[in-house]
Amino acid sequence: GQQVMQIPQYQHVQEGEDFTTYCNSSTTLSNIQWYKQRPGGHPVFLIQLVKSGEVKKQKRLTFQFGEAKKNSSLHITATQTTDVGTYFCSLPRGGNNRLAFGKGNQVVVIP
Amino acid sequence: DAGVTQSPTHLIKTRGQHVTLRCSPISGHKSVSWYQQVLGQGPQFIFQYYEKEERGRGNFPDRFSARQFPNYSSELNVNALLLGDSALYLCASRVAEATYEQYFGPGTRLTVT
Repeated sequence: GQQVMQIPQYQHVQEGEDFTTYCNSSTTLSNIQWYKQRPGGHPVFLIQLVKSGEVKKQKRLTFQFGEAKKNSSLHITATQTTDVGTYFCSLPRGGNNRLAFGKGNQVVVIP
Repeated sequence: DAGVTQSPTHLIKTRGQHVTLRCSPISGHKSVSWYQQVLGQGPQFIFQYYEKEERGRGNFPDRFSARQFPNYSSELNVNALLLGDSALYLCASRVAEATYEQYFGPGTRLTVT
């Protein structure tokens, strides 16, 4: 079956530094979404990527979809304490009706 | 506008009991999905409903069932609770069946003792 791997699972990031989190699939994807979940909160939709090689930016966040549409990355610059949380990627499994989430990348920001 | 709402927020049940969780989607959203999230893991898909019909089902036992009402609200039922059912149950709504962007509710924290 379709496997979703997120790396790393945990990151400690100094405030002001940049970091990247990755999402890898064993199969070609039609699309991928990214969500952020704050501690004690619920997942919040960030972005959807559909096209091969697509790059989308949201202020300090840059999302990229690989050329082969098997992987994606989220890069955050100038990390702030508000960036703390777990970042999940999700992808369709068996049609749009089912979404598979990765285990997430838990990010801790060190002031 | 109100976001997705879920009730109750917390629930403690005993093994063997059953539970009903409720979800109201964002106004105008016709699709509701249910997810189970255990600590340290990503959400696991349980069901999707659209226009009161089940459109997708995850790898969960038949003890899990759901339905959607004419006003698009939804219930998730779990029978014969097991300790392993302890988790955060999330409801997510979206405008239509085939759209990707989902809005999650705050979840119901279920503890089975």
